[in-house]
Amino acid sequence: EVQLVESGGGLVQPGGSLRLSCAASGFTFSSYWMHWVRQAPGKGLVWVSRINSDGSSTSYADSVKGRFTISRDNAKNTLYLQMNSLRAEDTAVYYCARDSVWGGVSNWGQGTLVTVSS
Amino acid sequence: EIVMTQSPATLSVSPGERATLSCRASQSVSSNLAWYQQKPGQAPRLLIYGASTRATGIPARFSGSGSGTEFTLTISSLQSEDFAVYYCQQYNNWPQVFGQGTKVEIK
Repeated sequence: EVQLVESGGGLVQPGGSLRLSCAASGFTFSSYWMHWVRQAPGKGLVWVSRINSDGSSTSYADSVKGRFTISRDNAKNTLYLQMNSLRAEDTAVYYCARDSVWGGVSNWGQGTLVTVSS
Repeated sequence: EIVMTQSPATLSVSPGERATLSCRASQSVSSNLAWYQQKPGQAPRLLIYGASTRATGIPARFSGSGSGTEFTLTISSLQSEDFAVYYCQQYNNWPQVFGQGTKVEIK
C-alpha cells in the first residue's frame, strides 16, 4: 500500500524558514516524480512544486519561486520542501503527492499544516 | 499560465440525481486533464485522468469527457458519499493548475 507521511509543519514567524519532509513507502520511490500541493484554510488546491525521479529537474509555482526548494533523497525514500522567507499567504496545509504515470496525481499524504504568523 | 475555471461554484443535487460539473481551460490542454474529489478534512482523491479514464477503484457512475478547453465530470446517480468538492487540474503545461472547485451539496 502506498503511504506518504508528511512532517515538519508548525508555526513560524514571517520571514522565517521551515523544512517539510515526506516519508514514502509501499512503492519504488526512486521511479516516480513527486509533487507538493498546498491548500490554504477554506480554499482550493494550489500546485507548488514538482521534482523528477532522480532529482535532476524541478519546477515551481511563480508564487514560491526563489523562496522554496524541492529535493529528494532516494536512498531514504524521502521528499523535502525547504521553505524560506515565509509569508502570511504561505499559510496552508501542504500535501506531498505522487505523480501518476498516466497523468495527474495518484496518491496523497494526509498533509501538514504550516502557519505563518507573528 | 493556464487558467482553469470551474462551474458552477456550488451544485445542489438530490441523492439519486445526476450531477454535471464543468471545467474550462484558458487554452488547449489536449486531454491532459484530471478530476479529484475532496471531502472535509481529507486529502484529495484522483477520480479521472486523461479527461475520461477512471482511476483504479473509482465507481462507474463517475465519467469524464471533453478535450481541448471544455471538460465535463458527470456523476450519474449521486450517492451520499459523493457529496464533496471536486477539482479539475490540467497537466499539459507547467504549472499544473487546479480549478477553484465545485462543491456538490445535498439539495
